[in-house]
Amino acid sequence: TQLLEQSPQFLSIQEGENLTVYCNSSSVFSSLQWYRQEPGEGPVLLVTVVTGGEVKKLKRLTFQFGDARKDSSLHITAAQPGDTGLYLCAEAYNNNDMRFGAGTRLTVKP
Amino acid sequence: SQTIHQWPATLVQPVGSPLSLECTVEGTSNPNLYWYRQAAGRGLQLLFYSVGIGQISSEVPQNLSASRPQDRQFILSSKKLLLSDSGFYLCALGGKEQFFGPGTRLTVL
Repeated sequence: TQLLEQSPQFLSIQEGENLTVYCNSSSVFSSLQWYRQEPGEGPVLLVTVVTGGEVKKLKRLTFQFGDARKDSSLHITAAQPGDTGLYLCAEAYNNNDMRFGAGTRLTVKP
Repeated sequence: SQTIHQWPATLVQPVGSPLSLECTVEGTSNPNLYWYRQAAGRGLQLLFYSVGIGQISSEVPQNLSASRPQDRQFILSSKKLLLSDSGFYLCALGGKEQFFGPGTRLTVL
C-alpha cells in the first residue's frame, strides 16, 4: 500500500520567512494534489501536478513535482500569517479512491 | 457553481447513541461523493465513497455505515457510537480533485 509521507509535521516561522514542505511516496504518483485547510473548515484545493519535473506557481506558492513522480514540494516565499493552516498532499488511486498525507501544520507568526 | 451542505455543524453525543450525518450537494449531477474523518490535528481518513445512488464502497471496517438514497444526498450513520468516533467529518465530491463541504464536528462523550 502506497503511503504519503509529509514533512515536517509542524512548522512555526516568522512572517517574511521562506519555507518548504514535502510529500513523498514509495511508489509513483499518477498525479498529486495539494490542499490547504484552515481550522474548522474543509480543505481547499491549491494545485494538481501531473508531469514529472512540473513546476506550478500560485502567487507566493511554488509547487514542484519530482522527475520520478515519487515526491513533491511546496515552497512559500515571504510567508504571511494568512498562510497559516494545514497543508495536505493527496493522491487519487484506483479511479475513485483518495489517499491523503497526515499534513504539515504551518504557523506563521506576525 | 458547486455547493456542499453538511448538517449538523457540531454534535455532542453519548457513547452508544446512534448517529446520522447528512451531506447534500447542489450545482452538479451524478457526482462521486466521499465521507472522510479527520482526527484532531491529523490528516484525512477516507471512510466511504459512492459513484451513484445505492452504490457505496467502504474503505475502513468500523461501526459506521453510509447510504446514498438520492443522487445529491449522502448520509453517514452509526447504530452505536464509540469514543473513537469523535472527529471532524467531511463530505466531498469530485474525483482526483476534491471539493469539500464545511464539515461536522462530532464529540462522543
